[in-house]
This record gives sequence, C-alpha cells and structure tokens, in this order.
Amino acid sequence: RKEVEQDPGPFNVPEGATVAFNCTYSNSASQSFFWYRQDCRKEPKLLMSVYSSGNEDGRFTAQLNRASQYISLLIRDSKLSDSATYLCVVSPSGSARQLTFGSGTQLTVLP
Amino acid sequence: GAGVSQSPRYKVAKRGQDVALRCDPISGHVSLFWYQQALGQGPEFLTYFQNEAQLDKSGLPSDRFFAERPEGSVSTLKIQRTQQEDSAVYLCASSSFRDRAGEQYFGPGTRLTVT
Repeated sequence: RKEVEQDPGPFNVPEGATVAFNCTYSNSASQSFFWYRQDCRKEPKLLMSVYSSGNEDGRFTAQLNRASQYISLLIRDSKLSDSATYLCVVSPSGSARQLTFGSGTQLTVLP
Repeated sequence: GAGVSQSPRYKVAKRGQDVALRCDPISGHVSLFWYQQALGQGPEFLTYFQNEAQLDKSGLPSDRFFAERPEGSVSTLKIQRTQQEDSAVYLCASSSFRDRAGEQYFGPGTRLTVT
C-alpha cells in the first residue's frame, strides 16, 4: 500500500466549476502536509500548506483530518490555468525534511 | 534570482553505461534533495544533503546509485551500470531553513532514458 494515496483522475471540469480532491496517508506520525502543483513536463511547485484548522488561499481551500488521516483540496471558480496535476504531500516530521508524494490527481479545466 | 538548475536536461544511455547528473541549487540553500519520478507517478525521495553531509540515503534503490555534494553546493547523482528500470525524470530540489516547512524548490529535472 502506498504511503500517500490519491484518485488519479482525470477530472475534466468546465470553467467556473468547483472541484475537490482527496488524499489519504498511512503514516500516523506524519507531521506536515502540503499540496504541490505540477504542470505537464514541468517541476512540482508548492501550492499551499495544510493545517488542522483548515486554510484558504484565494480560490483554494485545504483541510486536514488527522483522525481519519485525510487531506482535501477544494478549488472554487476554476480557471483554465488551474489545469495541472495536484500532488498530495506529507512529511514525517519537522526534522526529517524529505517529502512523500502521492501519485497526483490530474485536472483539466475546459472552456 | 536563479532557480535550481540541472544538467543535462535529457540523457539517453545504453544499458550498462554509467551516467552523472548534476544539480546546482539556489545559492545559499543548505538542504538539497534528489527525487526520482517515473511516468505517471509522484516524485520519490532518493537522498538528502545538509551542506556537504549526506544525512539520508534511504531512498536510493540500489548500490548502483551514488550521490555527493563535496563542497556543500553543487551535487552529482551517479548511476552505475544503468538498467531500463532506471528510466525516469531525476529531480533535484533545494531549500533553506528559513523557508516554510515543506517548501522545496525543484529544478526542471533530467529525463533519463535507458535503451
């Protein structure tokens, strides 16, 4: 079983739609959680960190449920430029700095 | 400012050849990571340096893989006797302790194809 599991998609949604991605992780010792974005044939880039209290950055909202070991990302009013692969990422602790990535969820926003 | 750079961007190797992949991190970044990304998968951790010290090499898939960062800046990932299963994109990332936890800056990667 992979440490971080995501629905690979693809998700094809019209512009303006709201779309949600989910992710589960297996290591209960995980301390830090993130969403990265990766455009086709490009490098991954940090989209946002995920906190237990939930956090919002413009049209993007991330939630963490530690009890269920579940992370979500909500994108509202999706834009064509949101088309990318979204990678769910966990880190075991603050001192162990390597990241564990899910396989990614592919999103295409259609005009 | 300059980001993380990697060279070569593309490498084709015949099975059994040795390859060396280079990473130039962002100037002043203490931490440097190597990841391997297979097609359709997320990056998988290979190894981690803090300055010149290799603190974690638990992700290296075999003893054919070797990484170094002798002066605490540029790093080289070497793969000996390449096999077809080594075909992947090799990503280098760097970060400083001042960066947000989890914020790693990735280079464009080296796409390795072993024929």
